[in-house]
Amino acid sequence: EVQLVESGGGLVQPGRSMKLSCAASGFTFSDYYMAWVRQAPKKGLEWVASISYEGSSTYYGDSVKGRFTISRDNAKSTLYLQMNSLRSEDTATYYCARDPAWFAYWGQGTLVTVSS
Amino acid sequence: DTVLTQSPALAVSPGERVTISCRASESVSTLMHWYQQKPGQQPKLLIYKASNLASGVPARFSGSGSGTDFTFTIDPVEADDIATYYCHQSWNSPPTFGGGTKLELK
Repeated sequence: EVQLVESGGGLVQPGRSMKLSCAASGFTFSDYYMAWVRQAPKKGLEWVASISYEGSSTYYGDSVKGRFTISRDNAKSTLYLQMNSLRSEDTATYYCARDPAWFAYWGQGTLVTVSS
Repeated sequence: DTVLTQSPALAVSPGERVTISCRASESVSTLMHWYQQKPGQQPKLLIYKASNLASGVPARFSGSGSGTDFTFTIDPVEADDIATYYCHQSWNSPPTFGGGTKLELK
C-alpha cells in the first residue's frame, strides 16, 4: 500500500525558515518524480515544486522560486521542502504527492502557519 | 500560466446525473486530470488523462474532452459524492488547477 506521510509543519514567524519532510513507502521511491502541492485555508490547490527521480532536476512555481528548495533522499525514501523567507501568504496545508503528470497518491498534509 | 475555469458550485440530488466542466485558457491536449476532495481530507485522483478511471474508482465517475474543453460526470450521484472537485492540467508548465467545483445537496 502506497503511503506518504508529511511532517515538520507548525507555526513560524514571517521571514523565518522551516523544513518539511515526506516519508514514502509501498513503492520504489526512486522510480518516481515527486511533488509538493499546497492549499491555503478555504482555498484551492496550488502546485509548489517537483523533483526528478535522482533529484538532478527541480521545478518551482513562481510564488516560491528562490525561497523554497525541493530535495530527496532516495536511500531514505524521503522527500523534503526547505522553505526560507516565509511570508503570511505561504500559510497553507502542504501535501506531498507522487508525480509525474498526475498526482496518483497524496499524503494527509501538514499545516504551515506563518504568523507573528 | 494555463488558467482552468470551473463553475464554483452545483446543487444535486442523489440519483441524478451531474456534469462538471473545466475550460482551459490554452490547449492541454488530453493531460487533464480530476480529483475529489472531502473536507479535512487530501485530494483523491479519480480520472487521469481526460478519460481514464483511476484504480479502485467506481464506474459512476467518467471524464471526457481534449484541447480546451473537458467534462467530468457522475452518474448516478450518491450522497457520499458531496465534495469539491478539481481539474488539473499537466501539459503546459507550470501545472495548474481549476478553482474547484463544490457539489452540494439540493
